Amino acid sequence: NAGVTQTPKFRILKIGQSMTLQCTQDMNHNYMYWYRQDPGMGLKLIYYSVGAGITDKGEVPNGYNVSRSTTEDFPLRLELAAPSQTSVYFCASSYSSSLGLSGNTIYFGEGSWLTVV
Amino acid sequence: KQEVTQIPAALSVPEGENLVLNCSFTDSAIYNLQWFRQDPGKGLTSLLLIQSSQREQTSGRLNASLDKSSGRSTLYIAASQPGDSATYLCAVRPQGAQKLVFGQGTRLTINP
Repeated sequence: NAGVTQTPKFRILKIGQSMTLQCTQDMNHNYMYWYRQDPGMGLKLIYYSVGAGITDKGEVPNGYNVSRSTTEDFPLRLELAAPSQTSVYFCASSYSSSLGLSGNTIYFGEGSWLTVV
Repeated sequence: KQEVTQIPAALSVPEGENLVLNCSFTDSAIYNLQWFRQDPGKGLTSLLLIQSSQREQTSGRLNASLDKSSGRSTLYIAASQPGDSATYLCAVRPQGAQKLVFGQGTRLTINP
């Protein structure tokens, strides 16, 4: 019963370093998302994907990249880490049968805590 | 632009009380509204999903209502327990959008 799995759970990066946050889901969901959550704030959408090979920007995409080569995996890449990217990152997935429908419950991973120093 | 607001930011009540958490949104053109629970250091767990055509949803001691025309939703928790202590977030899915717009959350503490 894995659901949405994110790795690593915690990471400290130096300014300018790069890293990839991994996300995989085993529910055969077509939609996948990356959100970030800053202290005391709601979640902001970074990128999302409606299926393998299709990705699109969310509200705060600058400094990040994604790819979706398979249904299961949706990695998030930070190319040149900056202190402003210190945050908690959540991957999520859901299933919708077609664009425009109301959508179903969204499932979240447990989060990845990233600190950039 | 859709905005979601949750008031209050924090709430502390004695065990056993019934309580209501509030969520308001600025644009009534939504597909659905979802309430989530977030425990410290954990991800979000979906509690209730209300489609735009529905007025309320119930799960155990939780009842969520939706008044789309006024841009409001409430989460009612009956007979609160210390285990209900967590942050509760609401989120709407705007029509035509493939994302959720979140409120900042209400941090709830139930005192034994």
